[in-house]
Amino acid sequence: DQQVKQNSPSLSVQEGRISILNCDYTNSMFDYFLWYKKYPAEGPTFLISISSIKDKNEDGRFTVFLNKSAKHLSLHIVPSQPGDSAVYFCAASGANSGYALNFGKGTSLLVTP
Amino acid sequence: DGGITQSPKYLFRKEGQNVTLSCEQNLNHDAMYWYRQDPGQGLRLIYYSQIVNDFQKGDIAEGYSVSREKKESFPLTVTSAQKNPTAFYLCASSDRNGNTIYFGEGSWLTVV
Repeated sequence: DQQVKQNSPSLSVQEGRISILNCDYTNSMFDYFLWYKKYPAEGPTFLISISSIKDKNEDGRFTVFLNKSAKHLSLHIVPSQPGDSAVYFCAASGANSGYALNFGKGTSLLVTP
Repeated sequence: DGGITQSPKYLFRKEGQNVTLSCEQNLNHDAMYWYRQDPGQGLRLIYYSQIVNDFQKGDIAEGYSVSREKKESFPLTVTSAQKNPTAFYLCASSDRNGNTIYFGEGSWLTVV
């Protein structure tokens, strides 16, 4: 059963606007959350992470928000750029599973000029 | 340069054959992981190892085997028992707390 869910398989956003990618999880033991960006036939590259003791983490154009009570996190990209077009994976981990990452199915983001 | 190296990048296997994918890291990471990616499936955990000579099954371990004889190396064997081995395989490593997780470039395995 999928413990990390990304319900939007794709998202299209105009350049300069905000991209919001959403992620839900079911396992309350998860305490560390990450976002990865992936291009076809390449390994994922780390974008940003957040610990369960925080509700927001910001790194340049990327901000991750965590709502623990709702078991929901989101990635905001502002402003969106065409080079941001890729598949974005949400991942979660916890000590009870050796910190192995549990991934969502990904959201394909297309930023149009 | 520190990083994770997977080889080969592309591999073809005949049905009924075992094949081993290599994963080496020089990041001094304690933990290593193997994931599989299929279209529309995201990344699914096959096996992980938190320390040398120890490893745990992930969500889809059936038909796979691993070893962790050295800290730097975590090879994955895709056995003939794996019914649908054609996929993109990703190796990753992290520190013991999983705070810094890096991925290799991946290996494409095709069964012919």
